[in-house]
Amino acid sequence: QLQLQGSGPGLVKPSETLSLTCSVPGGSISRTNYYWGWIRQPPGKGLEWIGSIYYSGSTYYNPSLKSRVTISVDTSKNQFSLKLSSVTAADTAVYYCARQVDEGYYFDYWGQGTLVIVSS
Amino acid sequence: EIVLTQSPDFQSVTPKEKVTITCRASQSIGSSLHWYQQKPDQSPKLLIKYASQSFSGVPSRFSGSGSGTDFTLTINSLEAEDAAIYYCHQSSSFPHTFGQGTRLEIK
Repeated sequence: QLQLQGSGPGLVKPSETLSLTCSVPGGSISRTNYYWGWIRQPPGKGLEWIGSIYYSGSTYYNPSLKSRVTISVDTSKNQFSLKLSSVTAADTAVYYCARQVDEGYYFDYWGQGTLVIVSS
Repeated sequence: EIVLTQSPDFQSVTPKEKVTITCRASQSIGSSLHWYQQKPDQSPKLLIKYASQSFSGVPSRFSGSGSGTDFTLTINSLEAEDAAIYYCHQSSSFPHTFGQGTRLEIK
């Protein structure tokens, strides 16, 4: 079973940039047929897709967050990253990384999630 | 943006019951509808892809149906371990969206 491991600071100050990384040990991020995505879940709430990236660097983002989001990929390290700028308390959430099948765009494997709290 | 509305929001059921959760899309999405299960303090897990195709390793008591705007997740002979929140997800158009979730409690 594919494993995805998210990591990054659990506390970010308002107006700063949230940065998370997702590693894929035992799997190649350069495989065709897959995108790599980020989804978030505020405490006690539902799921929101943030954006996804192909190993080539091609990205697509949720328009509601597009002005603040950057997703990048580092194939040499077999990992991909999320940056969300100008954060506020509304960005407090568990952030999940997940593999997304490019035929159908469903998420077949998810990381364990990283809780990020935005607070001064 | 396509809005997915699940019903019910909450359901309390006894083991061995049959459960039906529905997901309605605000516009036609063909079969680009997928279902996930999220247990407490865990990440979501894929159950059903393309409305009716079971994902590898998912117990046979889980099944999905529907197309267009109306979809159903059915759990036959519910087990205690099925207590979770269930989400539908559409990938027909961007941005991808999720339903609000249905919380299933086992009595």
